[in-house]
Amino acid sequence: GNSVTQMEGPVTLSEEAFLTINCTYTATGYPSLFWYVQYPGEGLQLLLKATKADDKGSNKGFEATYRKETTSFHLEKGSVQVSDSAVYFCALSSGNTPLVFGKGTRLSVIA
Amino acid sequence: DTAVSQTPKYLVTQMGNDKSIKCEQNLGHDTMYWYKQDSKKFLKIMFSYNNKELIINETVPNRFSPKSPDKAHLNLHINSLELGDSAVYFCASSQGLAGGKETQYFGPGTRLLVL
Repeated sequence: GNSVTQMEGPVTLSEEAFLTINCTYTATGYPSLFWYVQYPGEGLQLLLKATKADDKGSNKGFEATYRKETTSFHLEKGSVQVSDSAVYFCALSSGNTPLVFGKGTRLSVIA
Repeated sequence: DTAVSQTPKYLVTQMGNDKSIKCEQNLGHDTMYWYKQDSKKFLKIMFSYNNKELIINETVPNRFSPKSPDKAHLNLHINSLELGDSAVYFCASSQGLAGGKETQYFGPGTRLLVL
């Protein structure tokens, strides 16, 4: 079945540091890949997505590239801010199957 | 203008009680979902409705019963609440299933605590 594995947190970074959160997946067919973000006390919101191999999703300075050869969709940001502190979820969907989420990675950015 | 809204935001209740959580979306979407997020932030799909019809029913106790009176609403009724039901419940919607490419829009969550 479909599954997503993302790096365990928490991740603590200083402001302006480089961020990578690893995500790998197992799926049948050709999945779409997503990163969702959950700010404290809120619901999830889409951060970025990619629907086919080699696509790059980007938003708010975050990027992730759909790598079929390594079945990965790592999230990166060049310079994090305190306001980026949140829980980040990698997810995939394939065909008409529901979204499958990773376990989430908590990011704390300190000034 | 809240796209996906849930009520109540917080729910504290005793074991054995029956409770309902309501969800409404004003995005004109065809598909709605319920997710459960446990204390470790793990998210799992519970149900999905498309055009008021149940299309996904994961392994959820039958104490949980979703009801979709129309495309814009998907309510969740829980009978005989148990301690293990304590979690945050999220409603979400999407335009359709469209091979999994659709973005899902989430509500703010309902924090349920069973004592």
